[in-house]
Amino acid sequence: ILNVEQSPQSLHVQEGDSTNFTCSFPSSNFYALHWYRWETAKSPEALFVMTLNGDEKKKGRISATLNTKEGYSYLYIKGSQPEDSATYLCAYTYSGTYKYIFGTGTRLKVLA
Amino acid sequence: KAGVTQTPRYLIKTRGQQVTLSCSPISGHRSVSWYQQTPGQGLQFLFEYFSETQRNKGNFPGRFSGRQFSNSRSEMNVSTLELGDSALYLCASSLAVYSHGTDTQYFGPGTRLTVL
Repeated sequence: ILNVEQSPQSLHVQEGDSTNFTCSFPSSNFYALHWYRWETAKSPEALFVMTLNGDEKKKGRISATLNTKEGYSYLYIKGSQPEDSATYLCAYTYSGTYKYIFGTGTRLKVLA
Repeated sequence: KAGVTQTPRYLIKTRGQQVTLSCSPISGHRSVSWYQQTPGQGLQFLFEYFSETQRNKGNFPGRFSGRQFSNSRSEMNVSTLELGDSALYLCASSLAVYSHGTDTQYFGPGTRLTVL
């Protein structure tokens, strides 16, 4: 059974703090790793898709790195703001399939 | 460009009934995937359709079925509802031009199904 794990499950940070979360996935037959942000009462919104080992992506204060050999990705948020409060999901796809395997997410709360 | 729409947004049914949920993808998107989300669980993949064909299916019982029409709109049907089917059902569409595995999926707002 393919499993994608995210940690921590939830965290609270103060406004201005930087934080990071982890997404672990099977390293075999890796195809792509996606990050999504899901705000309460809204639809999940795509942040990044990464495919190559060593990939780094950045969008404003949010960045992500990928290590396909060891099967993990980090998402970093620099200088967290209350509007960053959301659940951050990662999803893994593997060769030969059209399935996206999602983790259970990291719920971030940024306190003003 | 209009986003992914899902109808209805909320639904209350009783055990044993059946339900049909609808998803209209972004114009031009040919792939539609369906997910179930329950408390404490990640998004669980139900199935994916591309050009009216089911390309992949998750580990759900046969009570869960779907289809896709020629205009890419998709429906999901759950027969003989059980209490455990209460969940948020999300659909997502993507272009699926080259490879589905790297496509960005665009999600709809979901249908909240409550089974009493």
